[in-house]
Amino acid sequence: GEDVEQSLFLSVREGDSSVINCTYTDSSSTYLYWYKQEPGAGLQLLTYIFSNMDMKQDQRLTVLLNKKDKHLSLRIADTQTGDSAIYFCAESMIGAGSYQLTFGKGTKLSVIP
Amino acid sequence: NAGVTQTPKFRILKIGQSMTLQCAQDMNHNYMYWYRQDPGMGLKLIYYSVGAGITDKGEVPNGYNVSRSTTEDFPLRLELAAPSQTSVYFCASSNRGPPYEQYFGPGTRLTVT
Repeated sequence: GEDVEQSLFLSVREGDSSVINCTYTDSSSTYLYWYKQEPGAGLQLLTYIFSNMDMKQDQRLTVLLNKKDKHLSLRIADTQTGDSAIYFCAESMIGAGSYQLTFGKGTKLSVIP
Repeated sequence: NAGVTQTPKFRILKIGQSMTLQCAQDMNHNYMYWYRQDPGMGLKLIYYSVGAGITDKGEVPNGYNVSRSTTEDFPLRLELAAPSQTSVYFCASSNRGPPYEQYFGPGTRLTVT
């Protein structure tokens, strides 16, 4: 079955880069996503990457995908206190049910001023 | 667009009571989903729908029911509430085609005592 794993916590200093990692087990993944959840709020889509890409950059965010190792990472440059949140990795699979996403348990990012 | 809206934001139920969590979206999305989020456990899919009149069970459907009479609305019914249903409930919607990104509502925090 499919499974998405993330480390639970990450702490960085303001101004440093943050790197949040995720591993997935299903090689049939089509799209991989990063969501952000601030306290008391719903999940907000940050970015996604198609499985035939290696990298995607969007302003301060860089997504790297290593298909061989089934490893996905999200790098946040110049991390700010407003980036403190829980970050979820998710994947969708090829075929029937492509619209169903499997989520990791989330990584709580704490930014130290 | 309001996106995905959920009501109520908070609710306290006594054991054995019933209630309906409301969810609506104005993006004309075919797919809609209900998740529950427990601390440190990520998101678990309860039910989903691929269109009006069509619903299907997710990973944790026991104790819940859904209906989808219109494209816009996807209510979740709790019958005979139990303490194990204390959780935060999120509704989401997505387009029919790729990249299948899901848009989330703000959530309903439910406590059963």
